Amino acid sequence: EADIYQTPRYLVIGTGKKITLECSQTMGHDKMYWYQQDPGMELHLIHYSYGVNSTEKGDLSSESTVSRIRTEHFPLTLESARPSHTSQYLCASSEYSAGRFYNEQFFGPGTRLTVL
Amino acid sequence: DQQVKQNSPSLSVQEGRISILNCDYTNSMFDYFLWYKKYPAEGPTFLISISSIKDKNEDGRFTVFLNKSAKHLSLHIVPSQPGDSAVYFCAASADYGQNFVFGPGTRLSVLP
Repeated sequence: EADIYQTPRYLVIGTGKKITLECSQTMGHDKMYWYQQDPGMELHLIHYSYGVNSTEKGDLSSESTVSRIRTEHFPLTLESARPSHTSQYLCASSEYSAGRFYNEQFFGPGTRLTVL
Repeated sequence: DQQVKQNSPSLSVQEGRISILNCDYTNSMFDYFLWYKKYPAEGPTFLISISSIKDKNEDGRFTVFLNKSAKHLSLHIVPSQPGDSAVYFCAASADYGQNFVFGPGTRLSVLP
C-alpha cells in the first residue's frame, strides 16, 4: 500500500488567487514528481525532484513552481491561478536507483483544480 | 509526437471474458514498461510491469506481453470482473523507471 497523500482533493478557486497543492509521502522516497492530466489525455510531467533542494522542470511547460525542503514534502504553487490551470494534478514518488534496479512510481489520489 | 500510444480510447467486455488492452511505442530505447489502473477521482495504482529482457509477465489474472520487434505490449485480464472497470494507462521508461512516458489511457468497462 502506497503512502502518498495529496491535499486538497478538490479545489475551486477564482482567477488571480495564489494556491499551493500539498503532497507528502512516508516511504522515504528520494524522487518525487508532479503530473498534470486533462480528461482522456496522458499524464504530462511538469516537475520532478531527485531529493532535498533539487527541483527540475518536466516535459510540459507549467507556470507553477515547486520546492523540496524536506524529503517527504513536495508542494506545488501557482502564484496567480487562471482558468487554463484547470486540470487534475497528480503527485508521485519513487526510489532513486541510478540504474541499479527497476522502479515504479507510486501516485497520490490527485487534486482536481477548477479555476473560475 | 506521442511516444506511447493506446489507440483504443475505450473497450467493453462481458464479465468472465478476456480483456485485451494494447499499447504501442515508438522509442526503441524504452526497456521497462508498466500498466497502471485508475479509478475516477483517484490516482493511478500500479498493476504489473515488464522489462525488455522478458516477453511475458504474469500476476494472477493479469498478464503483460511484450513484442519488442513490433514495439507493442498488451495487457490481458482473464477472467474480467466488473471491478476491473477503470482507465488503464501504459507507461514506458528508458532509464530503469526514473522517468516514464504515459499513454492516453483506455477506458475498460466490464459488463455484468
